[in-house]
Amino acid sequence: EIVLTQSPGTLSLSPGESATLSCRASQSVSSNYLAWYQQKPGQAPSLLIYGASTRATGIPDRFSGSGSGTDFTLTISRLEPEDFAVYYCQQYGGPPYTFGQGTKLEIK
Amino acid sequence: EVQLVESGGGLVKPGGSLRLSCAGAGFTFSRNSMNWVRQAPGKGLEWVSSISSSSIYIYYADSVKGRFTISRDNAKNSLYLQMNSLRAEDTAVYYCARVPTGWLGDAFDIWGQGTMVTVSS
Repeated sequence: EIVLTQSPGTLSLSPGESATLSCRASQSVSSNYLAWYQQKPGQAPSLLIYGASTRATGIPDRFSGSGSGTDFTLTISRLEPEDFAVYYCQQYGGPPYTFGQGTKLEIK
Repeated sequence: EVQLVESGGGLVKPGGSLRLSCAGAGFTFSRNSMNWVRQAPGKGLEWVSSISSSSIYIYYADSVKGRFTISRDNAKNSLYLQMNSLRAEDTAVYYCARVPTGWLGDAFDIWGQGTMVTVSS
């Protein structure tokens, strides 16, 4: 089983700043099958990034994903108020399709 | 509009059973693999089970293997999760989630709103 470790656990920033979220895998993620999801309170998760760096439909270009192998990053530039949420990474290269424990992005 | 709607959650005693359903609309359900993901109160996401478009491939998390059964009825555009021998640690919101293709190696692009399952005496 691939274990995904996200850091930091909580990130406190102000609107307009940039956020860098990390996701580290315990072993290489095949074909960079790594996704990022956003979850707001009381809502279901929504897909942001797949294939490590491809934005899902309708996702603004302020969101970007990068990385390969075992180290992946989600960068959010020019934070908007609606971006403050919990973010999860997930590998879908093979079952079990594990998730990271999440990074909470909160308003400073 | 593409959407998934879960139902069937509720309060059940330890050792009991429950069947969750997920209805798909706005897309050709039979072409997509499907998944169940759960989230315990205040916790993160946990993948539970996956089923390919034609039900040939089925996978389970170790935590539910032997107790939960995933199935689908493409004629009814529906996904199911039969949960037996329920434990307190199965308490969670259960989401169904779509894969945009018929095979399982892809991200989950559409999620339902979730249905709450509470296991308590």
